[in-house]
Formats: sequence, structure tokens, C-alpha cells
Amino acid sequence: DAGITQSPRYKITETGRQVTLMCHQTWSHSYMFWYRQDLGHGLRLIYYSAAADITDKGEVPDGYVVSRSKTENFPLTLESATRSQTSVYFCASMDNGGGTEAFFGQGTRLTVV
Amino acid sequence: KNEVEQSPQNLTAQEGEFITINCSYSVGISALHWLQQHPGGGIVSLFMLSSGKKKHGRLIATINIQEKHSSLHITASHPRDSAVYICAVRLPTASKLTFGTGTRLQVTL
Repeated sequence: DAGITQSPRYKITETGRQVTLMCHQTWSHSYMFWYRQDLGHGLRLIYYSAAADITDKGEVPDGYVVSRSKTENFPLTLESATRSQTSVYFCASMDNGGGTEAFFGQGTRLTVV
Repeated sequence: KNEVEQSPQNLTAQEGEFITINCSYSVGISALHWLQQHPGGGIVSLFMLSSGKKKHGRLIATINIQEKHSSLHITASHPRDSAVYICAVRLPTASKLTFGTGTRLQVTL
């Protein structure tokens, strides 16, 4: 199916564990983004990527690592999960150029206990 | 101060009412997006605007670039319109979006 998909949809992990959230898009969009959504903060950018092998930090990158070896995949890894990383994570993609829509995945609800 | 401000933060309306949600921003932009998020749901793009006005069904979005302001209107509101509506702007020199904190709309029968 065409679109942008995230997995898993729900995840509970323990403090200190490494966890990877997956994001896959089928349109070959240039740009991909990871956001976290917390009450009172709206959506905040963690990392983004302009193309394969090009990534850059967003607003709140500490504690996260990303990679983009293929255009269609943009995994987000929490190297050592902390309770403050409990959040809903959204992946998004957008094609190149200033006049394109953004498409969002369904979100991953991560709880760190 | 946030670069993107939305008002109101919360809005309750009765079915059939005309609804307006406002978004103001403080920087020059290349585009403005309106997004919808249902409770527990994903985020859906409603509109992308760089000038003027767009309409889709009962939804209308307008933007005034000079005043750095956009509005989202919902005509003949319905309970299924209950959601969080999010405004986001795209800067001319960047691909990333900057988001408002959203407007929570509840439409009652």
C-alpha cells in the first residue's frame, strides 16, 4: 500500500534500553522527519533528513540517533531510553520544493517505565 | 514567544455553527499548512497555502501574507469535526515545519 507507515504503533520499554522506531514511505519523498508530540508543546522536531545519507538535528535531538541508508526508510533510535522520552512519535515525509504537502505516519506511542 | 500562535486553544461549538480558528506567525514563510488530528489518531494534512484561499468541502482556509495570519473556517460544523487542528509554517530557507500548539475543537449535538 502506498503511504507512510510507522512501526510499532505502541511500545513499552524499560529505562536504559535501546529501542528503534521504524518509518517507511513509498513515494520516494526527499525529506523525512521525526517529531515528538507532548501535551503543552505541540509537535517538536527531533531529526530530519533531506536525502539518503543526509541527516540533521532538529529542536530536541538529545538522546536520539537516526540513519537514512535508503530513501524510503528513516529509523529513529533511542540509545538509552529515559522516562522523559515517553511520548507519541510521528514520522513525516515531504517531497522536495517549497510547495508540497507533508504526510504523516499514524504515530508510535512509546512509554518508558 | 512561539513563532506560530493559534487561537483559541480550546473551542466548543454546537452542531451547525460556523467555526473559525486563527493562526498568526512572526516570520516570513514559503507555505502554511493546516493539519487535523482526531483523538488518538494520526495527523492528516487539510490544506497547504502560500497565498489566497482554498476550499475543500465544508473547510475553507485563507492566508494574508502581509499580516502574517491565516484562518481555518468550518461551515455547518458536525460532531465528526471534533479534533485538534494544527497550524504549521514552512520557512523559505528550510524544509522543516514549525508547528503551533493546536486548537482543540469539540462539536456537540
